[in-house]
Amino acid sequence: KQEVTQIPAALSVPEGENLVLNCSFTDSAIYNLQWFRQDPGKGLTSLLLIQSSQREQTSGRLNASLDKSSGRSTLYIAASQPGDSATYLCAVFLGAGSYQLTFGKGTKLSVIP
Amino acid sequence: EAGVVQSPRYKIIEKKQPVAFWCNPISGHNTLYWYRQNLGQGPELLIRYENEEAVDDSQLPKDRFSAERLKGVDSTLKIQPAELGDSAVYLCASSLEGSVTYNEQFFGPGTRLTVL
Repeated sequence: KQEVTQIPAALSVPEGENLVLNCSFTDSAIYNLQWFRQDPGKGLTSLLLIQSSQREQTSGRLNASLDKSSGRSTLYIAASQPGDSATYLCAVFLGAGSYQLTFGKGTKLSVIP
Repeated sequence: EAGVVQSPRYKIIEKKQPVAFWCNPISGHNTLYWYRQNLGQGPELLIRYENEEAVDDSQLPKDRFSAERLKGVDSTLKIQPAELGDSAVYLCASSLEGSVTYNEQFFGPGTRLTVL
């Protein structure tokens, strides 16, 4: 059974700092990996999707990398802002036979002004 | 373009009462998912539809949960009777058909259920 782990569970940083969120998964046979953002009381907003054949994806100040063989992904946030405060979840998709996303528990990020 | 729409956003009920949640996916998305998210956890899949067919309901507690997607568009998830442990956020998501390698799922805002 696929398990997804996110470390740390919570992170507090001063505004302007660069930071890295970590995600690991036990089954490397994934089709893609998706990073989401969840604000309190809200649904999930997709940030980046990395196909299994890709090494990284970038969107603005966000960069996500994928090392499929080692079962790891990182989300790098540059020049953090208070508006980045949210919970960040990663999820893996195994594809045919298991169309569900398997999520980690998330990392709660607080960016202090 | 409108995103995934869910209603109600919040629901408070007493245990043993029935409750229903509604979801309208993104136009053109014929794959629809219902997830449940417990506090401090990631979402877990309850059921997946392709058009009007439930193709994966293996994690749906069938003794009290039911779902339908009669015309292959919007969907309803029902709990009857509700139990205290059903308190959670119920999320609906949708994606384009048949794309195994590009299954980007788009989520609605969720319905937060509190069972007293």
